[in-house]
Amino acid sequence: DADVTQTPRNRITKTGKRIMLECSQTKGHDRMYWYRQDPGLGLRLIYYSFDVKDINKGEISDGYSVSRQAQAKFSLSLESAIPNQTALYFCATSDVSSSTDTQYFGPGTRLTVL
Amino acid sequence: GDSVTQMEGPVTLSEEAFLTINCTYTATGYPSLFWYVQYPGEGLQLLLKATKADDKGSNKGFEATYRKETTSFHLEKGSVQVSDSAVYFCALRKLSSGSARQLTFGSGTQLTVLP
Repeated sequence: DADVTQTPRNRITKTGKRIMLECSQTKGHDRMYWYRQDPGLGLRLIYYSFDVKDINKGEISDGYSVSRQAQAKFSLSLESAIPNQTALYFCATSDVSSSTDTQYFGPGTRLTVL
Repeated sequence: GDSVTQMEGPVTLSEEAFLTINCTYTATGYPSLFWYVQYPGEGLQLLLKATKADDKGSNKGFEATYRKETTSFHLEKGSVQVSDSAVYFCALRKLSSGSARQLTFGSGTQLTVLP
């Protein structure tokens, strides 16, 4: 079984709808991250969390919110989706005890906002 | 701010050809450097890493050397296979105190290897 899972894998929605993307991990890591990937831009950090009580904005947090429901779960919400939020979204985790803090990525959620 | 610049793709090679994907970075201090690979339909996987100058990361026949003097971390492989077809991302991370130790990614380079 995959260590980092994301649901749904694909989602098509309409402008103005509220959308939630979910991420779960079985690696026991403290840190979790949400990125979006756009063609030609690489990955950009949306939000990150060091533990259940610690949530931080990343480079492009406007229009997004997150919830860290438990150590293993980190959800990303789009309160009112807009077309330029169409992208591939990745969740990642890392272990605070690791000297290099390597990040492990989920398979991604492809979101299309019409 | 920190940034990573990768050679533009796509790159198309024949099987057994030599591969180089260039990566240069801009950062203050001494970042750790990474190469991640993304196979079709999958998430990113760490391919190799280097944490200090002159370190060489290697994995699956790929190598990259941390060159502080040229601020580079070029990815190389002596003989590519069809199964190496993927998107390759160079990334850096600074170990700033009290910060996220965030990854900064390059834009990615699509590699296609033809049989």
